[in-house]
Amino acid sequence: GEDVEQSLFLSVREGDSSVINCTYTDSSSTYLYWYKQEPGAGLQLLTYIFSNMDMKQDQRLTVLLNKKDKHLSLRIADTQTGDSAIYFCAEGGKLIFGQGTELSVKP
Amino acid sequence: EPEVTQTPSHQVTQMGQEVILRCVPISNHLYFYWYRQILGQKVEFLVSFYNNEISEKSEIFDDQFSVERPDGSNFTLKIRSTKLEDSAMYFCASRLQGIDTEAFFGQGTRLTVV
Repeated sequence: GEDVEQSLFLSVREGDSSVINCTYTDSSSTYLYWYKQEPGAGLQLLTYIFSNMDMKQDQRLTVLLNKKDKHLSLRIADTQTGDSAIYFCAEGGKLIFGQGTELSVKP
Repeated sequence: EPEVTQTPSHQVTQMGQEVILRCVPISNHLYFYWYRQILGQKVEFLVSFYNNEISEKSEIFDDQFSVERPDGSNFTLKIRSTKLEDSAMYFCASRLQGIDTEAFFGQGTRLTVV
């Protein structure tokens, strides 16, 4: 069945770049998504990428998609303390989520 | 900005009781979803709903669960006889159209079964 895997934790210093990685299994997914969840809050869509694209840039966010390896990454440039949150990658129409990567940004 | 609202934000219920979690999707959206997140675990798909019927459901969504859109506004998730393991955060989401449009999530209802 469909599955999405992410590493659980990432710690960076303020101003550094963060790279959060994700692997997925469903090669038929048309869209892949990145969601952000702050403590006690809901899920906020950060960005998404269409499956026929390799890269998408949106301000400080860069999404890279390697369809051959079924690997998706989210790069956050100039990471700020306000970026501390859990980041979920998700695939497919019904949104299959990974476990989430907790990003901790140290000043 | 339009948003998905969920009530209550926190529900405590005794094991075996029925609970109804309520969601008001964005008004012109057509696709509706329920997800749950057990503490510290991933967000899991429960069910999708379109055109007044379930379009897809997961293995988690067994006979204890049901969904309804009773009045064209609210979208509810009912758990008939709650178990301790139903304790989780439940998220509702809606989409304007299908998979190529953004899913908007509510803030969630934290269900605690004691």
